[in-house]
Amino acid sequence: KAGVTQTPRYLIKTRGQQVTLSCSPISGHRSVSWYQQTPGQGLQFLFEYFSETQRNKGNFPGRFSGRQFSNSRSEMNVSTLELGDSALYLCASSSTGTGPREQFFGPGTRLTVL
Amino acid sequence: GENVEQHPSTLSVQEGDSAVIKCTYSDSASNYFPWYKQELGKRPQLIIDIRSNVGEKKDQRIAVTLNKTAKHFSLHITETQPEDSAVYFCAASISGGYQKVTFGTGTKLQVIP
Repeated sequence: KAGVTQTPRYLIKTRGQQVTLSCSPISGHRSVSWYQQTPGQGLQFLFEYFSETQRNKGNFPGRFSGRQFSNSRSEMNVSTLELGDSALYLCASSSTGTGPREQFFGPGTRLTVL
Repeated sequence: GENVEQHPSTLSVQEGDSAVIKCTYSDSASNYFPWYKQELGKRPQLIIDIRSNVGEKKDQRIAVTLNKTAKHFSLHITETQPEDSAVYFCAASISGGYQKVTFGTGTKLQVIP
């Protein structure tokens, strides 16, 4: 099976702009989670989608939003970019069922805000 | 919400020595504790996990222990090798109909040949 893919891999934006990141999960995986990774802060949970519905949300401002399509692909949008939004954005997919499931991460999108 | 603390933030060991990374969590409802390894420039990958009904789990040179009463869990790597050098993340989650995984801030392990 192909792994989790993310596009684009690198992005450079300026303050005030908006950006959309894309994540394609492993085939058959219906749960997609998004994380922000910054040095010293580890991976911070943004939100999780399952069957086109947001099931859980982390403590990020409303500028961060997402959605999931019927084919389980997910997008994340950040509006009104701030310098502090510069980070590696990782998505992870997992299968569903009873009990916890391993998350498989994508390679990430490196966002730089100037 | 859940809070996961991880120590130390950096760890240097000689090749062949053991390495221990410790994490504490706050939510007693957490029942799944994965550990991820992230090599430089690569994506995090699961290396071992443990569920709350188990106290210890071992996979070759890697072991994880869990103390539910104290709400802490640890990663033990024995006979370290240079390829073990990476950032390690602990995490805690509540299994159920959704995935919300809370990660620690990471430990950068350097194995000195």
